[in-house]
Amino acid sequence: DTEVTQTPKHLVMGMTNKKSLKCEQHMGHRAMYWYKQKAKKPPELMFVYSYEKLSINESVPSRFSPECPNSSLLNLHLHALQPEDSALYLCASSHGEGNTEAFFGQGTRLTVV
Amino acid sequence: KQEVTQIPAALSVPEGENLVLNCSFTDSAIYNLQWFRQDPGKGLTSLLLIQSSQREQTSGRLNASLDKSSGRSTLYIAASQPGDSATYLCAVHMDSNYQLIWGAGTKLIIKP
Repeated sequence: DTEVTQTPKHLVMGMTNKKSLKCEQHMGHRAMYWYKQKAKKPPELMFVYSYEKLSINESVPSRFSPECPNSSLLNLHLHALQPEDSALYLCASSHGEGNTEAFFGQGTRLTVV
Repeated sequence: KQEVTQIPAALSVPEGENLVLNCSFTDSAIYNLQWFRQDPGKGLTSLLLIQSSQREQTSGRLNASLDKSSGRSTLYIAASQPGDSATYLCAVHMDSNYQLIWGAGTKLIIKP
């Protein structure tokens, strides 16, 4: 099983809403990632969790708040987003410990209105 | 600073042709290189991972090669099919940390 599952697939939210994106993997991977992807661009790294600890935060605005409740789950909490935050949000995981092959979910298409 | 380039940005070929997608990188001290496929509006599917010590990897009709000294990787697709139409991205790890450095992708269209 090389599956990373993201929910929801689509999300429309207002600028005053609070919502969360969810990601789950059962491959025993110890590194999990959030990426943001705009149209016709490669993914941009937002956050990395390694062994459930935040190891990389790529200067992401505080309106994005990641959480890693356990080794299989990764959440991204959204609050007071701007229309320019509309994008495809991708979750990925890798084994860790030198094995960096990344597996991606199908993404959440976020639209901020 | 590592830079990854994919040329061409778009490619359209008739069904059945063999084709090569190119990926070049400026710093040869890579840890590994990974090829992905992305369908419109979807996530990324990992196609092949080549470790820095390897010269090539094969999966079905796909073959990826790596030449670190020249800073190049190629993805060879044999007997192309319309279902191969997608954007293909390559990305490199510089070491065993978690950051991938991405090319901009090649959009491939296979005409029936």
